[in-house]
Amino acid sequence: GQQLNQSPQSMFIQEGEDVSMNCTSSSIFNTWLWYKQEPGEGPVLLIALYKAGELTSNGRLTAQFGITRKDSFLNISASIPSDVGIYFCAGRFSGSARQLTFGSGTQLTVLP
Amino acid sequence: IAGITQAPTSQILAAGRRMTLRCTQDMRHNAMYWYRQDLGLGLRLIHYSNTAGTTGKGEVPDGYSVSRANTDDFPLTLASAVPSQTSVYFCASSARGGQTEAFFGQGTRLTVV
Repeated sequence: GQQLNQSPQSMFIQEGEDVSMNCTSSSIFNTWLWYKQEPGEGPVLLIALYKAGELTSNGRLTAQFGITRKDSFLNISASIPSDVGIYFCAGRFSGSARQLTFGSGTQLTVLP
Repeated sequence: IAGITQAPTSQILAAGRRMTLRCTQDMRHNAMYWYRQDLGLGLRLIHYSNTAGTTGKGEVPDGYSVSRANTDDFPLTLASAVPSQTSVYFCASSARGGQTEAFFGQGTRLTVV
């Protein structure tokens, strides 16, 4: 099946710092999504990207759909304690049954 | 509050037993999905349904079955549970098949012993 490599697996940062995480795929994707999951909850959609090169922001979050269509990154600026959680990328590749493939997640810890 | 409701929240199940995880949405979404989440593996699609009356296999369908008799309900059945099916199960829905899975349920934590 299709594979998504998400990195880093975990991050420990100081409050106020910026964060960057990324995903790469072995196939061309036509959709990239970023989700956040908090303990005991289901994933919540943060940002959706549908076009190569697209750059989209949601508050302090910014995500980009790579030009090659095989990668995407998520940046979080000026991190705060409530940013703690697991961040997942997900992609939908051309030719699939329109289903999503998820990355393995980035565990973010924000230290006060 | 509109959304997705999963039941039960958690369950401990003896191996070999049959179990149905329930999922109901009240958003009139056409498409629904079942994922399992295991540490280090992200979410993997088990089965999906793009519209009532149709279902399809995802990445890890073996040992699971689903039905979609109406728009709102999408139960997942384990016919004979095995320990490797210990996982957290998430139901999700989207307005149309192939669109963003914008809504996830709270999850069902299943332990097979």
